[in-house]
Amino acid sequence: DAGVIQSPRHEVTEMGQEVTLRCKPISGHDYLFWYRQTMMRGLELLIYFNNNVPIDDSGMPEDRFSAKMPNASFSTLKIQPSEPRDSAVYFCASIQTSGLNTGELFFGEGSRLTVL
Amino acid sequence: AQRVTQPEKLLSVFKGAPVELKCNYSYSGSPELFWYVQYSRQRLQLLLRHISRESIKGFTADLNKGETSFHLKKPFAQEEDSAMYYCALSDAQKTSYDKVIFGPGTSLSVIP
Repeated sequence: DAGVIQSPRHEVTEMGQEVTLRCKPISGHDYLFWYRQTMMRGLELLIYFNNNVPIDDSGMPEDRFSAKMPNASFSTLKIQPSEPRDSAVYFCASIQTSGLNTGELFFGEGSRLTVL
Repeated sequence: AQRVTQPEKLLSVFKGAPVELKCNYSYSGSPELFWYVQYSRQRLQLLLRHISRESIKGFTADLNKGETSFHLKKPFAQEEDSAMYYCALSDAQKTSYDKVIFGPGTSLSVIP
């Protein structure tokens, strides 16, 4: 398995533009998490899904952020309109909670977003 | 509310010296604690979890419920230990899985 796959790896955009980040979790994993990493705040949980259903989106900063998981193998995080303060590395992670549950989160390589 | 604190943003130690990365948490239930590590240009990955009680790469961590701490320790630091370390907490129940909350992270630099 290639692990959690995120795209794009790097995105540079201008303020006001729409940004869509994509994630493919590990096959068979039933939870998916979106995190944002900044120097000031570290790793912040934005939202997480269980079996494609959003469970907790209390970490989503504001209405400009939205996330979807239309099926078990794909999720998107959208920012519209983007602002410079959204610049960060966005991580997707997944976990399998059935069978042998080690409690380990598997992370993607992250999407580095720069909003000018 | 769940909360994880790591008081040191940056920690520098000399090679061969002992290292301790501090982690404190607040949680009303029975927590499950983890340490994750992010080496340069690599993915964030699990280092160890308190339930397994194992030593990974020479690191150990003991859960102290009285002090609500889960400090990460290694007796002799190596240069390859230089990385970002995150303490994390969750409440993994039998029938459901709760979110994983991370601390702000500590950047460890081991000086040759």
